[in-house]
Amino acid sequence: AQRVTQPEKLLSVFKGAPVELKCNYSYSGSPELFWYVQYSRQRLQLLLRHISRESIKGFTADLNKGETSFHLKKPFAQEEDSAMYYCALIGKSGGSNYKLTFGKGTLLTVNP
Amino acid sequence: DAGVTQSPTHLIKTRGQQVTLRCSPKSGHDTVSWYQQALGQGPQFIFQYYEEEERQRGNFPDRFSGHQFPNYSSELNVNALLLGDSALYLCASSSFFSNQPQHFGDGTRLSIL
Repeated sequence: AQRVTQPEKLLSVFKGAPVELKCNYSYSGSPELFWYVQYSRQRLQLLLRHISRESIKGFTADLNKGETSFHLKKPFAQEEDSAMYYCALIGKSGGSNYKLTFGKGTLLTVNP
Repeated sequence: DAGVTQSPTHLIKTRGQQVTLRCSPKSGHDTVSWYQQALGQGPQFIFQYYEEEERQRGNFPDRFSGHQFPNYSSELNVNALLLGDSALYLCASSSFFSNQPQHFGDGTRLSIL
């Protein structure tokens, strides 16, 4: 079975502070990990995926297979980063045609 | 390109009724996946359609069924509605043989009274 755990339901930081949204997963094989974001009144959209190894809007995430984690980090949070963030897993790498398993999400609020 | 479009936006039904939700995939995509998002939860996979066939299914009862048409659009049908079926229903499209991620629609908000 595959599972994604986001331990924090809510996270509040001040503008300019570092932010880390935690994600842990459970999967016996080689997963592909994603972070999706949903801004207020917008649709769910992909923020980044681990195989791309890129930084989007200043966010990065590193897959740690030893700790089965895929934490999302940004060194200096901005108010426009306030949104709902979902960590998600595909249980077979290299296929967008497989089902996504989502965590319950973390609501990030960046205060001025 | 309008991306993934879903209709209707909102729907109110009563227990025992049936409902049909519709999804048009992003241009160039041939695979449609449906997810249910209950309040305060992440989306949960219902099933996926490719070449007009159900390819994968999540842990949902047979009351949930679907269909894909030759133009790749899809419908989600739910029979004998229960209060617990109240949720946001999301459609995501992708290209079956591509490694590109799934694109999501805005969803249909279904409320059961």
